[in-house]
Amino acid sequence: NAGVTQTPKFQVLKTGQSMTLQCAQDMNHEYMSWYRQDPGMGLRLIHYSVGAGITDQGEVPNGYNVSRSTTEDFPLRLLSAAPSQTSVYFCASSYEGDGYTFGSGTRLTVV
Amino acid sequence: GNSVTQMEGPVTLSEEAFLTINCTYTATGYPSLFWYVQYPGEGLQLLLKATKADDKGSNKGFEATYRKETTSFHLEKGSVQVSDSAVYFCALKISGYQGAQKLVFGQGTRLTINP
Repeated sequence: NAGVTQTPKFQVLKTGQSMTLQCAQDMNHEYMSWYRQDPGMGLRLIHYSVGAGITDQGEVPNGYNVSRSTTEDFPLRLLSAAPSQTSVYFCASSYEGDGYTFGSGTRLTVV
Repeated sequence: GNSVTQMEGPVTLSEEAFLTINCTYTATGYPSLFWYVQYPGEGLQLLLKATKADDKGSNKGFEATYRKETTSFHLEKGSVQVSDSAVYFCALKISGYQGAQKLVFGQGTRLTINP
């Protein structure tokens, strides 16, 4: 089925560990974004990309890295996990900028 | 700056009641406006959108009108169902680096419909 696929769905990390959240879309969308969702704060933009090889920071980029080597994939890397990064992470993609399609999310807990 | 303010939740209604969830925004220029819905354990789904002033977006019985004069985009439904229970997010779209289209979200409003 076409859409945005995120893996893993759940993850528990220890403080200081690193990991990569995967995001893939099969709709040939130019734009891809990573958001985090925290209670009472809506969704906040972490990083985004306007195409392969082009990324930029969003509202809350600290502690996260991204790269976009292909149109399909947009992984999010946590370099050294902290409890403040406990959140639900959503990847989204769009072609013309309208009608963003969201993945089902990754629930991350940092202990 | 760009921001979205939503009606505080949670909101609890009885089935067939009238629903309004308020949303106001602050933006430079003329943003597009969206309502997204999130069902438990799922990602966000686009519910409706409006791209210019006085546009009305509608879907599944929900409606919202882009009011430039009051910078508002309130969500309404005439008769809610239990299946409408979800979290609703208002958002605006702004242009960023190299034309990227970024969404700015409100904090979300949790809606519960009782039978």
